[in-house]
Amino acid sequence: LAKTTQPISMDSYEGQEVNITCSHNNIATNDYITWYQQFPSQGPRFIIQGYKTKVTNEVASLFIPADRKSSTLSLPRVSLSDTAVYYCLVGGGWTGGFKTIFGAGTRLFVKA
Amino acid sequence: GAVVSQHPSWVICKSGTSVKIECRSLDFQATTMFWYRQFPKQSLMLMATSNEGSKATYEQGVEKDKFLINHASLTLSTLTVTSAHPEDSSFYICSAPQGGGDNEQFFGPGTRLTVL
Repeated sequence: LAKTTQPISMDSYEGQEVNITCSHNNIATNDYITWYQQFPSQGPRFIIQGYKTKVTNEVASLFIPADRKSSTLSLPRVSLSDTAVYYCLVGGGWTGGFKTIFGAGTRLFVKA
Repeated sequence: GAVVSQHPSWVICKSGTSVKIECRSLDFQATTMFWYRQFPKQSLMLMATSNEGSKATYEQGVEKDKFLINHASLTLSTLTVTSAHPEDSSFYICSAPQGGGDNEQFFGPGTRLTVL
């Protein structure tokens, strides 16, 4: 499983766009990139997933360059409720037995 | 999306007793489930892979005799912490993939275990 590296923490203000970049130099051909959000004392919640290029859903965008060695989660116009830990995971889906290893994550703190 | 539940949401027990935590996939079948533990302000640590109809696969350093895992059906996996000690106090989380070609996991809400 590819190891991921993210900034330990980030601060932002309400209404700003937040970009969190994750490095995964050893990503394998079959690996997807998935981002999760976790609030204290809760299980992680799926945010977005991609394989290459750009993916957008109602809460975030995910940018993946051609070499796929990194990815950037973009949160538009964050609010106080976006204060959470964000995890970038790289895994091989069914080909990798769905096994998921969490890195340290990025602790995002949104200020008023 | 798919829903995974855990029971209980929190439990307090005395040192030396055993505690069972249930993980259920409510609207899909899961031949594989995962168990994690999380200490305060730390990341999730994968403990083991629960396999329906076969033995669980434990990560290095996790005592299989202490953390018993049973995946008795396609919707239920249980984690039993045997002879619990205060150092076993932690947040235990399970997850299950819905089984598509991607890697999306559905996580339970977690179980807070406190061993006195």
